[in-house]
Amino acid sequence: KAGVTQTPRYLIKTRGQQVTLSCSPISGHRSVSWYQQTPGQGLQFLFEYFSETQRNKGNFPGRFSGRQFSNSRSEMNVSTLELGDSALYLCASSYQGATEAFFGQGTRLTVV
Amino acid sequence: DQQVKQNSPSLSVQEGRISILNCDYTNSMFDYFLWYKKYPAEGPTFLISISSIKDKNEDGRFTVFLNKSAKHLSLHIVPSQPGDSAVYFCAYLTGANSKLTFGKGITLSVRP
Repeated sequence: KAGVTQTPRYLIKTRGQQVTLSCSPISGHRSVSWYQQTPGQGLQFLFEYFSETQRNKGNFPGRFSGRQFSNSRSEMNVSTLELGDSALYLCASSYQGATEAFFGQGTRLTVV
Repeated sequence: DQQVKQNSPSLSVQEGRISILNCDYTNSMFDYFLWYKKYPAEGPTFLISISSIKDKNEDGRFTVFLNKSAKHLSLHIVPSQPGDSAVYFCAYLTGANSKLTFGKGITLSVRP
């Protein structure tokens, strides 16, 4: 069974640009969550999607957005990139109501 | 305000001995606490969880203890192995959604 797949693995962008990250969940998982990991703040919740609907949102500015498609694949978008957006972005998928979430390897975003 | 605190940023233990990783929390409204392990350049992997109605859960070398009156939980690893060297995160899960609230992590080093 394939795990959670995130693409791309690494990305370098310039301040002011926008970026789109992709996440393919484990087959059968309809819940997809996104997290940002930075050295100072640890792992912080961005948002969660279930059946194409955003079910929960963390404390991030509106520049961070996401969506989920009918096949449960999800994308997150960051517009007007800032240096502070440099981080590891992690996607996790799970069954509805399950305790355990499975994480992808993440996308390392560097903003220069 | 940090709801999950892992106050010790690092821990070094001799191979074969016990590793005790601690976590404190402020919000009592949780359903589960989970421990995740993370190697560099990989996503977190689930280790063990504990329900809010229990005070202990054991899985092989890993045991998690929950002290609700002290709002404290700990992960015991016995015996510790060099392959256990990683960053360990505790996180809580509330309600039917899949939002995990993480601590900042503890770096465990197991010396051969």
